[in-house]
Amino acid sequence: DAGVTQSPTHLIKTRGQQVTLRCSPKSGHDTVSWYQQALGQGPQFIFQYYEEEERQRGNFPDRFSGHQFPNYSSELNVNALLLGDSALYLCASSLRDRNYEQYFGPGTRLTVT
Amino acid sequence: KQEVTQIPAALSVPEGENLVLNCSFTDSAIYNLQWFRQDPGKGLTSLLLIQSSQREQTSGRLNASLDKSSGRSTLYIAASQPGDSATYLCAVSTAGNMLTFGGGTRLMVKP
Repeated sequence: DAGVTQSPTHLIKTRGQQVTLRCSPKSGHDTVSWYQQALGQGPQFIFQYYEEEERQRGNFPDRFSGHQFPNYSSELNVNALLLGDSALYLCASSLRDRNYEQYFGPGTRLTVT
Repeated sequence: KQEVTQIPAALSVPEGENLVLNCSFTDSAIYNLQWFRQDPGKGLTSLLLIQSSQREQTSGRLNASLDKSSGRSTLYIAASQPGDSATYLCAVSTAGNMLTFGGGTRLMVKP
């Protein structure tokens, strides 16, 4: 049974560019959450998707957007990249009725130069 | 706004020692509290989950306690081993089951 997978593993972008990160949830899970983890800090909640809609959002600007597909996989898009967007981006999946039990993927390391 | 604080930020101990990691949160209206382990550059692995109605959970050499009224949790690690070296993160679940994390404690266990 595959766990949560994320792609790519590492990514280097230039300021002002746009990036798309991808996440496939654990088999059977229907809810996907995204977190940003800056170096040396704890993860911060970006948003959560269920039934292809954004259900909850943390304190992140509109440059951060997402999408969930019918197969429950998800994308995180970041526009107009800033140096401060450099971080580990973590995806977590869960069942809607057990949403507190989130399983995390290995993350995508984004470096903005 | 929920805020989670972890003390100490870093800890170095010799192998075999028992140790305690601390976590505090500002809003006691939580659904549950979790402790995670994170190895360098990797994702998070859930260690223990304590529901708001529970006082503690145990798994092997790990024991986590929760005092919701005072906004505190501790993670006790018995007989520490070099393989325990990692960052330990505390997270609380609130409305909508969004997780709010602390900054983590970086643990180094020396052989």
